[in-house]
Amino acid sequence: EIVVTQSPDSLVVSLGERATINCKTSQTILYSVNNKNQLAWYQQKPGQPPKLLIYRASTRESGVPDRFSGSGSGTDFTLTISSLQAEDVGVYYCQQYYTTPVFGQGTKLEI
Amino acid sequence: QVQLVQSGAEVKKPGASVKVSCKASGYTFTNYSMHWVRQAPGQRPEWMALINTDNSNTKYSQRFQGRVAITRDTSASTAYMELSGLTSEDTAIYYCARAKGPGYYLIDYWGQGTLVTVSS
Repeated sequence: EIVVTQSPDSLVVSLGERATINCKTSQTILYSVNNKNQLAWYQQKPGQPPKLLIYRASTRESGVPDRFSGSGSGTDFTLTISSLQAEDVGVYYCQQYYTTPVFGQGTKLEI
Repeated sequence: QVQLVQSGAEVKKPGASVKVSCKASGYTFTNYSMHWVRQAPGQRPEWMALINTDNSNTKYSQRFQGRVAITRDTSASTAYMELSGLTSEDTAIYYCARAKGPGYYLIDYWGQGTLVTVSS
């Protein structure tokens, strides 16, 4: 099974500042058929299910603000929130879907 | 708009079984596969199973193989997850979650979750 590891486990960022979360997979998740990395990012707020933000490592889901961006390839990926807003507080998970889904342990983002 | 509405919270005794339903609306049910994912308190989501809603083919996590069964009723646009042999380790929120296409491993929409508590 592919292991997915995030860093840091928690993060405190001031309003308007940049937040960066990292995700590493134990093997490459680059799908050779379409040359896309099979990596997604989700946001989860207390009492709610996860919400899809980014897929294919860098494609924003419809309706997601453009302050959220994803980058990386192969085994190393990053989620960046360019200017933190109060509503961005929550837990962020990366997930590989190259094989059956595996989630990282989560990163708790606070103001 | 896509909606996945799950059945209500359950309390079960160890050794019992639980069956959770997930009614889909806002899209053509058989065009998208359905995942089941659980999340224990304070833990990361854990993938359990996938059903192709068109032909009912299923794929299960080895961790739950033999204990979980996923079915669907296309006439009711509803998917079901049944978990047997419950222990306290199975206390979690259980989510149905739509795949972003037939057989896709990527998840785009989630149900609201069903809390299953296992306690004697």
